[in-house]
Amino acid sequence: GAGVSQTPSNKVTEKGKYVELRCDPISGHTALYWYRQSLGQGPEFLIYFQGTGAADDSGLPNDRFFAVRPEGSVSTLKIQRTERGDSAVYLCASSLVQGGAGELFFGEGSRLTVL
Amino acid sequence: DAKTTQPTSMDCAEGRAANLPCNHSTISGNEYVYWYRQIHSQGPQYIIHGLKNNETNEMASLIITEDRKSSTLILPHATLRDTAVYYCIVSGTGNQFYFGTGTSLTVIP
Repeated sequence: GAGVSQTPSNKVTEKGKYVELRCDPISGHTALYWYRQSLGQGPEFLIYFQGTGAADDSGLPNDRFFAVRPEGSVSTLKIQRTERGDSAVYLCASSLVQGGAGELFFGEGSRLTVL
Repeated sequence: DAKTTQPTSMDCAEGRAANLPCNHSTISGNEYVYWYRQIHSQGPQYIIHGLKNNETNEMASLIITEDRKSSTLILPHATLRDTAVYYCIVSGTGNQFYFGTGTSLTVIP
């Protein structure tokens, strides 16, 4: 498809486990964003990539969270030693505009449930 | 990024115009006003954005005050499918998009 694709759409895991969430941005989009959304809240910024590098990772809550984008396209959000409080919908967005704000195209999200 | 203030919720009768306000009194000169909406269980969807001038597209109109400290998103003829949470965001080049809690709009038949 032509939109942002996120997998898995749903992930249930146990406390303490490791989780990877994948994002396939729109082809040609150089900017990629990860957000986290808890029930009843707006999306919370986590990290922003410009190309392969993380231009702003100030939103990552702690060192259990890490994201990569090795070839400047697909990105993986990695969560170590998951906690129940990590349960949320993780949203990925991509943008064509380089080095700045522009229209963001969001995926449908990956719903993570930590038991 | 400039903080935005929006009402928590609003109702609108189907077929009428929905006017959603947003205050952004600390907006900087290079920051745009963006509007997104999120329908239940979907990712946010871009609606419109503007800098100084009023803007209109096939979805909505954006009215920005002359001092740029507030704006209004207008859905000219609201339908039931417009029921969603609407987010007003201000962001400039090199900055990120920070979402608040938005306005939950309910379109009533």
